Amino acid sequence: QKEVEQDPGPLSVPEGAIVSLNCTYSNSAFQYFMWYRQYSRKGPELLMYTYSSGNKEDGRFTAQVDKSSKYISLFIRDSQPSDSATYLCAMVGGSEKLVFGKGMKLTVNP
Amino acid sequence: GAVVSQHPSRVICKSGTSVKIECRSLDFQATTMFWYRQFPKKSLMLMATSNEGSKATYEQGVEKDKFLINHASLTLSTLTVTSAHPEDSSFYICSARGGKRGTEAFFGQGTRLTVV
Repeated sequence: QKEVEQDPGPLSVPEGAIVSLNCTYSNSAFQYFMWYRQYSRKGPELLMYTYSSGNKEDGRFTAQVDKSSKYISLFIRDSQPSDSATYLCAMVGGSEKLVFGKGMKLTVNP
Repeated sequence: GAVVSQHPSRVICKSGTSVKIECRSLDFQATTMFWYRQFPKKSLMLMATSNEGSKATYEQGVEKDKFLINHASLTLSTLTVTSAHPEDSSFYICSARGGKRGTEAFFGQGTRLTVV
């Protein structure tokens, strides 16, 4: 079993839809959880950073962590065409290395 | 968020030559920097972890003599691809850990290397 599992999609939604992106993990040592957005041919951009179970909101984005289920989610409300990108979850624990999901390619259609 | 600057964004070089890529944390000190390689439509592949003032730790299968990493200061790490071959053509991205909590990782813009 991989340490971090993320459905690679692709996912296509209409503009204005609520998008739900998810990752599961197996390593209980993971303490910090991040979501990155990567546009084509660009470096990943940090969207959300969380370290405790619960919800964290930033504008149209909500990050959710459930440590008991080893499950994290990113919700995008009122999705826009500019949200079209690849979204990667990442987590880090005792080791300094980030462990990434495969990335989910999202397309928001006008 | 914190800013990581990577330079150059794009480089074309001839086979057999060496190419240096720079990664700078502009507004924070990064004790740890990471170098990744990314193939088209694939996730990031960690190549090495570099700590300021010490030798880099390379992932299995990554040739340390080919991919030279130097982390001379808390704000600068460099990756040199030596004796480049066409199969080294790829997208290389650096990341620096730091920021307010010291645990967030911020990425550079990436470098598209093409070896001809």
